Amino acid sequence: KAGVTQTPRYLIKTRGQQVTLSCSPISGHRSVSWYQQTPGQGLQFLFEYFSETQRNKGNFPGRFSGRQFSNSRSEMNVSTLELGDSALYLCASSLALHPGETQYFGPGTRLLVL
Amino acid sequence: GENVEQHPSTLSVQEGDSAVIKCTYSDSASNYFPWYKQELGKRPQLIIDIRSNVGEKKDQRIAVTLNKTAKHFSLHITETQPEDSAVYFCAASINQAGTALIFGKGTTLSVSS
Repeated sequence: KAGVTQTPRYLIKTRGQQVTLSCSPISGHRSVSWYQQTPGQGLQFLFEYFSETQRNKGNFPGRFSGRQFSNSRSEMNVSTLELGDSALYLCASSLALHPGETQYFGPGTRLLVL
Repeated sequence: GENVEQHPSTLSVQEGDSAVIKCTYSDSASNYFPWYKQELGKRPQLIIDIRSNVGEKKDQRIAVTLNKTAKHFSLHITETQPEDSAVYFCAASINQAGTALIFGKGTTLSVSS
């Protein structure tokens, strides 16, 4: 099976712009979670989607949003970008047949905000 | 809110020594505790996990122990090798109704030969 894929892999934006990142889960996986990884804060949970519904949400401002489509692909959007949004954004998918299943990570999208 | 503390932040060992990384979690509803290894420039990869109904799990040179009463769990790597050098993250499930995880801040393990 193909692994989790994310596009684009690299992105450079300027402050105030918005950005949309995409994540395609492993075939058959129904849950997609998003994480922000920075050197200072490590891996921070953004949100989790399951069957097109947001199931859990982390402690990020409303500028961060996401959605999931019927084919389980997910997108996250960051509006009004700030310098501090520069990070590696990772998505992870799981079968989600029951709570606490293994999550498989994508390669990430590295976002640089200038 | 939920929190996972991880110690130490850096760990240097000689090849063949053992390495231990410890984590504590705050939410008693957490019931799933995975460990991920992330090499430089790569995605996190699951190396071992444990559920709340199990106290210990072992996979070759890697073992994880869980103390639910104290809310802490540990990763043990024996006979370390240079290729074990990486950043290790512990995590705890956010609640019992999903697969989202709260991560510790990571431990950079360096194994010198």
